[in-house]
Order: sequence, then C-alpha cells, then structure tokens
Amino acid sequence: DQQVKQNSPSLSVQEGRISILNCDYTNSMFDYFLWYKKYPAEGPTFLISISSIKDKNEDGRFTVFLNKSAKHLSLHIVPSQPGDSAVYFCAASAVGTASKLTFGTGTRLQVTL
Amino acid sequence: NAGVMQNPRHLVRRRGQEARLRCSPMKGHSHVYWYRQLPEEGLKFMVYLQKENIIDESGMPKERFSAEFPKEGPSILRIQQVVRGDSAAYFCASSPLGLAGAGEQYFGPGTRLTVT
Repeated sequence: DQQVKQNSPSLSVQEGRISILNCDYTNSMFDYFLWYKKYPAEGPTFLISISSIKDKNEDGRFTVFLNKSAKHLSLHIVPSQPGDSAVYFCAASAVGTASKLTFGTGTRLQVTL
Repeated sequence: NAGVMQNPRHLVRRRGQEARLRCSPMKGHSHVYWYRQLPEEGLKFMVYLQKENIIDESGMPKERFSAEFPKEGPSILRIQQVVRGDSAAYFCASSPLGLAGAGEQYFGPGTRLTVT
C-alpha cells in the first residue's frame, strides 16, 4: 500500500526553466511533508518542508505547495540549475507516529544545458 | 559540526552470515531512525530509537533483524543469517525532536549491504 506516490519517475527540464515535481498521498493523518534530494551513493539531503496548516512554503529557489483537499503537494524549483539534477523524494509524517517518515518512490530530475 | 555518520559504507556478506551496521547521530540529536532502500524503490521506515529504548519497530522484519541504541556508542542495526533479499542500502537518520514534534531528519550516507 503506497501511501505516498510520485507518479513521474523522471523529468527533464532546461536550465533556467521551472521544474515542478509532484506528489500525492492517501493517508489523511499526514500532517507534515518534506522534500529530500538524493545524489547517487549518498544519503538524502533535506530541502524544504511544510506543515498541514500552511499551503505554501518558500526557501530561495524552492517552493512547496500543499493542497490538502486534493491530497497533493508539489515542489517548484526556479530557476533550475544543472546541479539540481538528482532524485527527489517526497516524504510525509503523521500525528502521533514519532515523526517516522513515509517516502514516495522518487522522481529523477535531469536539468539540461 | 559532523553530520550523521554510518559505517561501514559498503558491506559484503555471504548468505547465513551476520551484518552489523553502525550509526552515530548528529551531535545533540538523541533520536535515531533506520530506513532501508531496495533497488528502484523509496526508503522504507524500519525502526525508531532513543537512547536505550526502542520506540517504534513497526517496520522491522519479525525475524533476524534487531536494533539498539545504547547509552554510550553508536546505534547498531543487526541482521542475522543474511539472505540475498537483504541486499539494499540502509540509511540512518537523526533528529532532535522525535516524539516532541514533527521535524526534518538528517540522513547519513548509508551502508550498502550486498549478500552473495
């Protein structure tokens, strides 16, 4: 039962353009959402998070949007840079679960020159 | 400020042997999580520990797997009698919050276990 879904396994974007990565979830108990970036042979690196009481959080080039009614969140990267090429994981945690994270399967972003 | 440290980075074991994976959390973090990533999949939660306590082991296989986080020293994930299906990347994460509230977890570089 995949509670966090990233339906696009890969995405290719030109340098300087916007990258939009999408994530859907099914568990209505999730109240905190995070995006992680992962390079090969390394651990995930935290990027940005959002609480369910907000619908948007921005940090530099990264913005996360949360649509609770649709159980959907997205990560926008503007402008995209070649160094952004990596696998991006969406993760969620639920109230009362001691912050254990449920991850999606990841989207591989390729930023081309 | 050192990040989360894991060792070894790569571990090769024959079927039936034991694997021991170590994790030292970030300084000041007392909450440790273990995750497993199988090829082409996302990370899956295994266990959450605080010093000397297992808080949530709902993601741990019922047999052969155990974890500890002693008062002194690193957290250990132990896999007895390894099988080929245990081949995966095992990641440790630490957090200052745990039960205290939601927050980001900081991951180590992982241990890649290969069972031959």
